[in-house]
This record gives sequence, structure tokens and C-alpha cells, in this order.
Amino acid sequence: AQRVTQPEKLLSVFKGAPVELKCNYSYSGSPELFWYVQYSRQRLQLLLRHISRESIKGFTADLNKGETSFHLKKPFAQEEDSAMYYCALSGHSGNTPLVFGKGTRLSVIA
Amino acid sequence: DAGVIQSPRHEVTEMGQEVTLRCKPISGHNSLFWYRQTMMRGLELLIYFNNNVPIDDSGMPEDRFSAKMPNASFSTLKIQPSEPRDSAVYFCASSPGGEATGELFFGEGSRLTVL
Repeated sequence: AQRVTQPEKLLSVFKGAPVELKCNYSYSGSPELFWYVQYSRQRLQLLLRHISRESIKGFTADLNKGETSFHLKKPFAQEEDSAMYYCALSGHSGNTPLVFGKGTRLSVIA
Repeated sequence: DAGVIQSPRHEVTEMGQEVTLRCKPISGHNSLFWYRQTMMRGLELLIYFNNNVPIDDSGMPEDRFSAKMPNASFSTLKIQPSEPRDSAVYFCASSPGGEATGELFFGEGSRLTVL
């Protein structure tokens, strides 16, 4: 069964501090991992996916198959990063729907 | 493109009433998903369609919930009768499918309150 765990419901950091949002997954096959973000009064939207290996808005995430983790990181948090972040998993075939974690609310304090 | 369009944005109803939520996916997308968001359980997949055909409805809580997709541009999620525990934000999302599966485009959600 697919499962995504985000252990922190709320994470508060000061502006300029590093951020790490944790995500662990359980999946027997080869997963595709994603981070979605929901800013205040905006739609839930894709932030980044592991296969792209890209940095979006300063955020990066590395898939660690040994630790079954896909933590989201940013070296210097900005106030505009405050949002709800969801980690999500899909089977490698791409035909299985996304399973989301419960989300972590990031609050960046000025 | 206006993106995925959901209606109503807010619905307040009394227990026992029928609720119908509507969704218009992005034109050309062939996969459609209904998710429910609550504080306790986060985002849960209720049902999804490929090319208008329901593929997996194992997430539908009980027989009170039903979903249809009569054509490629419209889907409904119906709750009858509604109960207070159904109060949540219901999201519809669409996806081009195929290689792009995994990137979902979400609507703004329908916030349901059952009194």
C-alpha cells in the first residue's frame, strides 16, 4: 500500500533560517514523489517533482530510497514561503493517482 | 484557461439534505479526481475517472456518496443524505494523463458545512 507521512503539522521558522519539511513514504515499487503547495487563498499547485531534479523558488528535494524520504529544503526561508505543503506519491507507472500526506503548515516569522 | 472550475464554492446545509458538488475539468485533460480535505485526515482521494470512466472508487466513504462523469467536461459528487461528519473541503482536480500523470491541476475547492 502507498503511504506518505509528514510528521510535522506545523513548522515555524524565522526569516532567513533554513527550512526542512519532512516526508517519508512507504511503497513497494519505484515511486514518483512530488511536493504540492497551497498559499493562502490560492489553489493547491505543484511545487516540484523528484524526477525533474530542479529548484523551484529556492526549494529542493532529494529522493532518498534508502531512507524512503523526500524532504523539502530551502537554505533561507522567506515570508512568502508561508503556506501549506503536501508531499505526494504516485506509482512509477504513472497511472496510479496521487496519495498525499496530511500536510505541514510552514509559518515564516519576520 | 480558467483552470478547473468547481461550484459551489461554499455550501451550508442541514443534516439529511442532498448535496451536489460540480466540477469542470481543464479542456483536454482525460483524468479527473475528487479529493476531500479535513484537518484530521488531510487530503483523501475519493474517486477518479479516466476518459469519463470511474477507475477506483475505493475511497468513497459509504453508499451515501456517489460520483458521475457524464462527459469529458463535467463531473458531479453527490452526498445523500448528508451528515455533519461530511463537513470538509472537496477538491476536484484534472490531469492530462499519460506521461504527465502526477501533476494535478486543482480547483479552488467547495467548502461544505453540514449542520
